[in-house]
Amino acid sequence: DAGVIQSPRHEVTEMGQEVTLRCKPISGHDYLFWYRQTMMRGLELLIYFNNNVPIDDSGMPEDRFSAKMPNASFSTLKIQPSEPRDSAVYFCASSFRGLASNEQFFGPGTRLTVL
Amino acid sequence: AQRVTQPEKLLSVFKGAPVELKCNYSYSGSPELFWYVQYSRQRLQLLLRHISRESIKGFTADLNKGETSFHLKKPFAQEEDSAMYYCALLAGGTSYGKLTFGQGTILTVHP
Repeated sequence: DAGVIQSPRHEVTEMGQEVTLRCKPISGHDYLFWYRQTMMRGLELLIYFNNNVPIDDSGMPEDRFSAKMPNASFSTLKIQPSEPRDSAVYFCASSFRGLASNEQFFGPGTRLTVL
Repeated sequence: AQRVTQPEKLLSVFKGAPVELKCNYSYSGSPELFWYVQYSRQRLQLLLRHISRESIKGFTADLNKGETSFHLKKPFAQEEDSAMYYCALLAGGTSYGKLTFGQGTILTVHP
């Protein structure tokens, strides 16, 4: 298994543009998480899904952010319109059967730069 | 709301010296705590969890409910321990709980 796959690995865009980040979780995992990493705030949970259903999106910063999981093997995080303060590394992670008994497996991250 | 604080953004030690990465939390319920590590050019990965009371790569962490702390310790640091370390707290149960991370500590072990 290649682990959690994220694309693109790097994204540079201009303010106001739409950005779509993609994630493929590990096959068989029923939880999927989106995180944002910045120097100031560290690692922040944005949203997570269980069996493709969003469970908690309280970490999504604004309405400009949206996430979907149309099936068990694919999720997207969309920012529209993007702003320079959205520049960060965005991680996707997946796990099986919850959080405490099983660890989360992280993808390599997407480094987003909004000019 | 739960909160995790790692007071040191940067920590430097020499090889062979003891190292302690601090983590404090605030949570009204019964917490479950974890340490995650990200080595250079590698993915973030679980280092240890308090419920399993294990030692991984020589690291241990003890949950101190009185001091609301979960400090990560190693008696003799190695250069390969240089990495970013995150403390995390699980609140709200095992199925639908929320994992809250601290701001992270960058550990550098000098030769």
